[in-house]
Amino acid sequence: DADVTQTPRNRITKTGKRIMLECSQTKGHDRMYWYRQDPGLGLRLIYYSFDVKDINKGEISDGYSVSRQAQAKFSLSLESAIPNQTALYFCATSTGNLEGGYTFGSGTRLTVV
Amino acid sequence: GQNIDQPTEMTATEGAIVQINCTYQTSGFNGLFWYQQHAGEAPTFLSYNVLDGLEEKGRFSSFLSRSKGYSYLLLKELQMKDSASYLCAVTGAAGNKLTFGGGTRVLVKP
Repeated sequence: DADVTQTPRNRITKTGKRIMLECSQTKGHDRMYWYRQDPGLGLRLIYYSFDVKDINKGEISDGYSVSRQAQAKFSLSLESAIPNQTALYFCATSTGNLEGGYTFGSGTRLTVV
Repeated sequence: GQNIDQPTEMTATEGAIVQINCTYQTSGFNGLFWYQQHAGEAPTFLSYNVLDGLEEKGRFSSFLSRSKGYSYLLLKELQMKDSASYLCAVTGAAGNKLTFGGGTRVLVKP
């Protein structure tokens, strides 16, 4: 099993629908992150969490919300999906010591039509 | 804020050497990372530099100059499987999250 698992792997949804992307990890890491990736724009941070009771906005949090249900689970919601939220979404985890970098999930490809 | 620049695309020949440059401007600095990402896949960790100088790991080396806000990733003895995007990322003063550049797509030709 993968250390960081994202579900679903692919999703097509309609404008205005609510959708949740899920992330779970077996690394035992405290820190979890959600990024989106668009061609030419690299990875941009949406939200991050350092603990179950800690939630922080990233650079592009508008239109998104998150929930840290447990140390191992961090979900991302789009309350009312719009076409410009079509992107590749990655969940990542890390320890407090960033020397090992992030461990990424395999990504969720979301298309909003 | 943070600003990270790297070339969009580079092409090189199998067996050759390619150097991918990354310049950054940050409010505080706590380390620089390089990741490799094949199309449609997750990024994978290549290197981490926090002090000035060259770090070598097999065919890949990474260099950092903090005073110049500059790093490069050197790929030697290129193989076809090295065709991928290479992402430069930095941590700010708090050292608690990564900010990524746009990535450099490297195409290795026979």
